[in-house]
Amino acid sequence: DAKTTQPPSMDCAEGRAANLPCNHSTISGNEYVYWYRQIHSQGPQYIIHGLKNNETNEMASLIITEDRKSSTLILPHATLRDTAVYYCIVRVAVGTGGFKTIFGAGTRLFVKA
Amino acid sequence: NAGVTQTPKFQVLKTGQSMTLQCAQDMNHNSMYWYRQDPGMGLRLIYYSASEGTTDKGEVPNGYNVSRLNKREFSLRLESAAPSQTSVYFCASSERAGANTGELFFGEGSRLTVL
Repeated sequence: DAKTTQPPSMDCAEGRAANLPCNHSTISGNEYVYWYRQIHSQGPQYIIHGLKNNETNEMASLIITEDRKSSTLILPHATLRDTAVYYCIVRVAVGTGGFKTIFGAGTRLFVKA
Repeated sequence: NAGVTQTPKFQVLKTGQSMTLQCAQDMNHNSMYWYRQDPGMGLRLIYYSASEGTTDKGEVPNGYNVSRLNKREFSLRLESAAPSQTSVYFCASSERAGANTGELFFGEGSRLTVL
């Protein structure tokens, strides 16, 4: 019951910006959008998250549309080491007062020299 | 700075055997999770514990049991292993059960093969 949809794969030239889209049309008003990536078979790594404002950190920028139904993760200068699977996630509130994080299939980003 | 520690890292079982995967976090996190990842697939949530004393089923709980032993430890048990449970298992934790506190910290994974 992933609440997001992403393209299965994308290519990007080294040194260029990588723009990874995500649709989350059923997102609720208080749900945040999270992005993770997974390199090879390592555990996923947190990248960034946001609610409605654009966010930036040392790794990436997150652009969320005004209606919050989609977002874009931007890696400003992609390197070969950014080749990974990128997951866009909306956490699901559960009755015990917590949240569960459901991963979809993600986007496999290939950065090419 | 251990973070999330999983044991064992590798395990080979025969069909019908049982085993327990151990997970411990040293970040004083409230919530803990178990995921499995099959080759070429995304992660699927098996069980989670939103806080100490609670556990709930995720997407694929059949064939598994969990125990939140204390705030630090969350174990996953396979009572009668099947080849379909061959997978990489990841444990994760997060700070508080809130909308803005969902950053998950993952362990390195436990690679399980069931023959």
